[in-house]
Amino acid sequence: EDQVTQSPEALRLQEGESSSLNCSYTVSGLRGLFWYRQDPGKGPEFLFTLYSAGEEKEKERLKATLTKKESFLHITAPKPEDSATYLCAVNNQGGKLIFGQGTELSVKP
Amino acid sequence: GAVVSQHPSWVICKSGTSVKIECRSLDFQATTMFWYRQFPKQSLMLMATSNEGSKATYEQGVEKDKFLINHASLTLSTLTVTSAHPEDSSFYICSARFGTSYTGELFFGEGSRLTVL
Repeated sequence: EDQVTQSPEALRLQEGESSSLNCSYTVSGLRGLFWYRQDPGKGPEFLFTLYSAGEEKEKERLKATLTKKESFLHITAPKPEDSATYLCAVNNQGGKLIFGQGTELSVKP
Repeated sequence: GAVVSQHPSWVICKSGTSVKIECRSLDFQATTMFWYRQFPKQSLMLMATSNEGSKATYEQGVEKDKFLINHASLTLSTLTVTSAHPEDSSFYICSARFGTSYTGELFFGEGSRLTVL
């Protein structure tokens, strides 16, 4: 069964304190791993897609990496505006996006 | 990124009435759209996959007669919650796939919050 597990469930950081979010997955035929940011009461905002192990992508303070079993979202020197829930999802062979439960990030000034 | 618009953003209705939610891809054509449901503090649960010009494919446990999905054009899909009840109150989110490949990126609408009284 395709499954996505994110950890930690919640993460509190001080402004400038770098950290990483984890996304472990099992899927039959990975057709892409996606990272999204979701603010309260809003739809998910697309961040990255990774397709193969070893691939890395960066956007401002965020960097996503991918191995055969997991993905990391590294946040460097976060700011309060980075506070949000970060969702990881895998695209399976059937073209469906399977989501993890998310990591709620809070960055305090 | 591509833009997906959802309307209405929020709706309050009486029990027993039907509510329609629209999902539009504004700057691209979407062969496939998806409908999700999200409860507070939980992740997105896929309800159904909507393909333009054909019947939607529903996930296990989702009542197709209650949640009617229509994908009449490459830029519009609608979700109608029929005979709504308080337990149908939730945050409904649509997404549209960019391109025709299974690996195409998914862009999400802003979501529609339904409250059934």
